[in-house]
Amino acid sequence: LAKITQPISMDSYEGQEVNITCSHNNIATNDYITWYQQFPSQGPRFIIQGYKTKVTNEVASLFIPADRKSSTLSLPRVSLSDTAVYYCLVARRGFSSGSARQLTFGSGTQLTVLP
Amino acid sequence: DVKVTQSSRYLVKRTGEKVFLECVQDMDHENMFWYRQDPGLGLRLIYFSYDVKMKEKGDIPEGYSVSREKKERFSLILESASTNQTSMYLCASSTIRDILLMGNQPQHFGDGTRLSIL
Repeated sequence: LAKITQPISMDSYEGQEVNITCSHNNIATNDYITWYQQFPSQGPRFIIQGYKTKVTNEVASLFIPADRKSSTLSLPRVSLSDTAVYYCLVARRGFSSGSARQLTFGSGTQLTVLP
Repeated sequence: DVKVTQSSRYLVKRTGEKVFLECVQDMDHENMFWYRQDPGLGLRLIYFSYDVKMKEKGDIPEGYSVSREKKERFSLILESASTNQTSMYLCASSTIRDILLMGNQPQHFGDGTRLSIL
């Protein structure tokens, strides 16, 4: 199982770029990295997923160095509505028999965006 | 859009009761999951099912069981509720069809059931 570490909390101001780093030192070859966003009283919502290098979508970028022992979620120009908890997940590719112990969530990073 | 529906948002039960939490997904997903979420601990996997009638233990299965009689429904059962099972419970689903599109299968979550055991 990957052991995952992410900061407990971060503060930022509106309009700034925010980078949240997740450490996963013993990530396995077939593991993917996924980030989720969670607002109070809601379930986590998928943001972005990647395996290596850089992935970008309409809301975020994900940077994964060559050794894959960490990953960084980048949120460009945050707004107050980006205040949420962000979770890093390391999970084995595909889910089938024997896969249940091959996914691990980090404990989450509370991002607070200030005006 | 995928919809994962958990039957109750809030539930209060007494110690020793048998408690059922229900989850339904509407996208024909193969995989379904039950997590509990506690402050400072993130999400911890209780049980996982990759097919009807198939189940696998996650990291913290003790005191819980599950049932998946139909593909769209995954039930979590607390056999004899205890106060240390007071928590937020989250259900999720995913599909292997997303592997081809995205590399791996993102999970789609319900909004959770906040369970209090008195």
